[in-house]
Amino acid sequence: EVQLVESGGGLVKPGGSLRLSCAASGFTFSSYSMNWVRQAPGKGLEWVSSISSSSSYIYYADSVKGRFTISRDNAKNSLYLQMNSLRAEDTAVYYCARGVTTSDYWGQGTLVTVSS
Amino acid sequence: EIVLTQSPGTLSLSPGERATLSCRASQSVSSSYLAWYQQKPGQAPRLLIYGASSRATGIPDRFSGSGSGTDFTLTISRLEPEDFAVYYCQQYGRGVTFGPGTKVDIK
Repeated sequence: EVQLVESGGGLVKPGGSLRLSCAASGFTFSSYSMNWVRQAPGKGLEWVSSISSSSSYIYYADSVKGRFTISRDNAKNSLYLQMNSLRAEDTAVYYCARGVTTSDYWGQGTLVTVSS
Repeated sequence: EIVLTQSPGTLSLSPGERATLSCRASQSVSSSYLAWYQQKPGQAPRLLIYGASSRATGIPDRFSGSGSGTDFTLTISRLEPEDFAVYYCQQYGRGVTFGPGTKVDIK
C-alpha cells in the first residue's frame, strides 16, 4: 500500500524556519518525481515545488523561490522541504504528493502556522 | 504561467442529478497533462481523472472527463451522496497550476 506521511509542521514566528519531511512507503520511491502542494485555511490548492526522481530537475513556485528548498534522500525514501524566511502567507497545510504531471497519491498533510 | 478558471464556483444539485464542471485555461494545455481531483473537508485531494479523460484506479464510471486545448469538463453522471465535495482541475506544462475549485453541494 502506498503511504506518504508528512511531519515537521508547527507554529513558527515570521522570519523563522521549518523543515518538513515526507516519509514514503509501499512503492519504489526513487522512481518517482514528487511534489509539495499547500492549502491555506479555507482556500484552494497551490503548487509549491517539484523534484525529479534523481533530483536533477527542481522547480519552485514564484511565491517561495529563494526561500524554500526541496530535496530528497532516495536511500531513506524521504522527501524534504526546507522553509526559510517564513511569512504569514505561508500558513497552510502542506501536502507531499507522488508524481508531478499527475499526483496519484497524497499524504494527509502537515499544518504550518506562521504567526507572532 | 497558465491560469485555470473553474466554473461555476458553486453547484447546488440533488442526489441523482448530473453535474457538469468546467475548467478553462488561459493557454492551450496538453490533454496528457490535465487532471481532476476531488477533496472533501479535512481530507487530502484524491485523483479522479488524468490525461483529461482517463479515470484513476478505483474511480467509479459515473465520473468522466473530456476536452482539449483550453476547455475541459468533468461530468458526474448521477450524483451520489459521497460526491458532494470540492473539485479542482490541475495542469502541468509551464509549471503546475490548480484551478480555484468548484464546490458541489446538496440542494
